[in-house]
This record gives sequence, structure tokens and C-alpha cells, in this order.
Amino acid sequence: ILNVEQSPQSLHVQEGDSTNFTCSFPSSNFYALHWYRWETAKSPEALFVMTLNGDEKKKGRISATLNTKEGYSYLYIKGSQPEDSATYLCALSPLSGGGADGLTFGKGTHLIIQP
Amino acid sequence: NAGVTQTPKFRVLKTGQSMTLLCAQDMNHEYMYWYRQDPGMGLRLIHYSVGEGTTAKGEVPDGYNVSRLKKQNFLLGLESAAPSQTSVYFCASSYVSGISYGYTFGSGTRLTVV
Repeated sequence: ILNVEQSPQSLHVQEGDSTNFTCSFPSSNFYALHWYRWETAKSPEALFVMTLNGDEKKKGRISATLNTKEGYSYLYIKGSQPEDSATYLCALSPLSGGGADGLTFGKGTHLIIQP
Repeated sequence: NAGVTQTPKFRVLKTGQSMTLLCAQDMNHEYMYWYRQDPGMGLRLIHYSVGEGTTAKGEVPDGYNVSRLKKQNFLLGLESAAPSQTSVYFCASSYVSGISYGYTFGSGTRLTVV
């Protein structure tokens, strides 16, 4: 079972500020790293999937980076807005087997944007 | 487009009762998964299926059974419910290359066992 750690557990950020949080995992070149956004009373929604060391992905004000050699991924939110309030989940899958065996999830970072 | 649909959304069971949770997807996904979400813990994989007629155990399979008789449906069964199975259950599905496209999740089933 993979160990996926997310920090911090929760985060309060002022509207307009930028923020970032971390996903840590055993270093290896053979993982797919997923980020999901999970809004209250909704289902998790895929943000990014990264597989290569050094990958960077961006969607609007949100971006993510991946370092498989040192075992971490960062998620950045630029200019936070109230609609960014959610729990952000990180999940890991070995690349072998095509990801069929399911994802191992971290406990999430709960982000609250304060107006 | 419905995506992944879970039924029921809520259920209260008495200890020892049985029930089946249904997950249906209309995206022609090969892979389907059942996870449970408990306070203070990440989503944990119960069982999964890589195609019609196949199932496999995940991290926490005890007390659950599954079936995938049709590609679009993945059923999770509790034969004799226990209070420890009180949880929110999520179904997810993905293409064969789920590692590239990510999972699509259902909206969850909140189950309480009393």
C-alpha cells in the first residue's frame, strides 16, 4: 500500500491571495499522480494527471508540478476566489498495470477562502 | 450526460441486514471502482473491476462483495451489515488509460448501520 501524505490538512486563505500545498509520496519514476477538487456535497472532480518527472500542468489559475525523484507534487492557486474553497485530493497509482489497480488517496487539504 | 450514477443516495440499515449499492456509468469505461470515505481518512478502495465479468479486491474488501455482469454496472453488496460499515461510498470509473484521464466519480451513497 502506497503512503500518500498531504499537507497542510486545512488552510485558510484571504480572497485574492495565492497559495500552495503539498502531496508527498515514496520517490519513484513509475507513478501517475492525480489531483482532484472535491467541493462539499459534490463528487471529486479530476484536475490534473501527471506521469513524468518535471511535469507541469495548468488550468486557469490552478497549476501543479511533479517531482517523482524526490517524491512530491505541489498544487498552486493564484489569486484565490471563494469558488476555490474545496478539499483538494492527491492520489497515486503505479504506472505498471496501466493504473487498473486503483488509486491510493491522501487525506486531502481542506481549503477555505475568506472574503 | 449522466456520467456515473449511484443509487440509493442515502440508506439506514439495521445490523445484520443486507443491501446492494448500484453504480451505473454511461461513458463506456472499462474500469470501475468502489471506495469508502470515513472521517479523517482518505478514500479507501474496496473492490474494483477491469472489465465485464471481472472483479478484484482492494485495500478494505472484508464484508463486501461485488459483481460486474454488465460493463456499465458495478454492484456493491453488503451481506450482513455491521456498524463499522457506516460510511460514504463512492463509485468511480475510468477509461483503460485512467492514469492519463483521471477518474469520474459518482455523487456518493451515505450509509448508516445502526
